[in-house]
Amino acid sequence: DAKTTQPPSMDCAEGRAANLPCNHSTISGNEYVYWYRQIHSQGPQYIIHGLKNNETNEMASLIITEDRKSSTLILPHATLRDTAVYYCIVRVPKNAGGTSYGKLTFGQGTILTVHP
Amino acid sequence: DAGITQSPRHKVTETGTPVTLRCHQTENHRYMYWYRQDPGHGLRLIHYSYGVKDTDKGEVSDGYSVSRSKTEDFLLTLESATSSQTSVYFCAISEPPGSGPNNEQFFGPGTRLTVL
Repeated sequence: DAKTTQPPSMDCAEGRAANLPCNHSTISGNEYVYWYRQIHSQGPQYIIHGLKNNETNEMASLIITEDRKSSTLILPHATLRDTAVYYCIVRVPKNAGGTSYGKLTFGQGTILTVHP
Repeated sequence: DAGITQSPRHKVTETGTPVTLRCHQTENHRYMYWYRQDPGHGLRLIHYSYGVKDTDKGEVSDGYSVSRSKTEDFLLTLESATSSQTSVYFCAISEPPGSGPNNEQFFGPGTRLTVL
């Protein structure tokens, strides 16, 4: 799976959009970009994923550059409850060959702090 | 929230004692995973299961064994606990990778284990 690079920390004012970047310059054609977050002391939570098109759901939007070497997770109206560690993960949904499983490799992520 | 429970939620034990952590799901998902989370390392996969009695190693499996005798339960055993196994342990579940649109993993609340 391709490695990702994220800033260690970011701040955002409550009610403003939070834009979290992720670099994945070695991504291959069959790898998806996934975002998870982990609120303090809880298990990680799936947010969104995409291959090459921009995606939006009730939680966030995912913007993937045309060359797929980077992406941005957008929380359109951040709240205090969005304070968490955000992980960008690049992976194929299934291992090539052998027994398939959806391995998730978590890096250090970005600590997002939303201020009142 | 996905129906995943972990027990115990907290445990303090002594070096050399056996410890078993339990993950229970009510979602009937085929895949189950055990991760550990340590400062500076993010989440790392210990073992996973792709069906009843079908398990395989993850990236940090030394010192751990697992068993899955029924779909809903996945047990993680530390045969002889060491201080290096002090960590927070998360269980996760998913549908078979590639079988659905999201392939997300749902995580349990975690077990905090301290080995003295």
